[in-house]
Amino acid sequence: EIVLTQSPGSLSLSPGERATLSCRASQNISGNLLAWYQQKPGQAPRLLIYGASNRATGIPDRFSGGGSGTDFTLTISRLEPEDFAVYFCQKYGVSVSTFGGGTKVDIK
Amino acid sequence: EVQLLESGGGLVQPGGSLRLSCAASRFTFSNYAMSWVRQAPGEGLEWVSSVDGGGHNTFYADSVVGRFTVSRDNSKNTLYLHINSLRAEDTALYYCAKGRGNIALPPALDSWGQGTLVTVSA
Repeated sequence: EIVLTQSPGSLSLSPGERATLSCRASQNISGNLLAWYQQKPGQAPRLLIYGASNRATGIPDRFSGGGSGTDFTLTISRLEPEDFAVYFCQKYGVSVSTFGGGTKVDIK
Repeated sequence: EVQLLESGGGLVQPGGSLRLSCAASRFTFSNYAMSWVRQAPGEGLEWVSSVDGGGHNTFYADSVVGRFTVSRDNSKNTLYLHINSLRAEDTALYYCAKGRGNIALPPALDSWGQGTLVTVSA
């Protein structure tokens, strides 16, 4: 089973700033089958990125995903008030899928 | 817009059983893999199980193998999760989620329901 480690655990930033979130895998993720989700309090998660770098339908272009192999990043270029939330990465396309522990982005 | 409506959660004693259901609408259900993901109170997401569009290939987290069974009835556009031998650590909000496409392995999840709460307590 691939273990995903997200860092930092939390991030305090101001609106307009850039956020860079990390997701590190314990083994190589072939095919870059890694997804990112956003979850706000009391809501279900929302798919942001799949295939490491492809934005899901309706996701603003301030969200971008990158990386390959074992190291992946989610970047929010300029934080909007609605972007303060918890973000999770997920390894999929294998018989046992896993999520990272999450990164909370809150307002500084 | 895709709709996923979970039901069947509740309070159950340790060792008990439940059947969760997820009624799907506004998409061609049989064309997509489906998954269950759970979230314990105040915790992160945990992938539980996935099934492909035809219901022939199923996958489980190690923590639920042998106790949980995923199935689907494409004629009713409904996904199920049969849960046996419940433990306190199974207490969580259980989400049903739609996969991006019908792949034979657990997919990325592009639509989610609002969840059904399972509480395991004596």
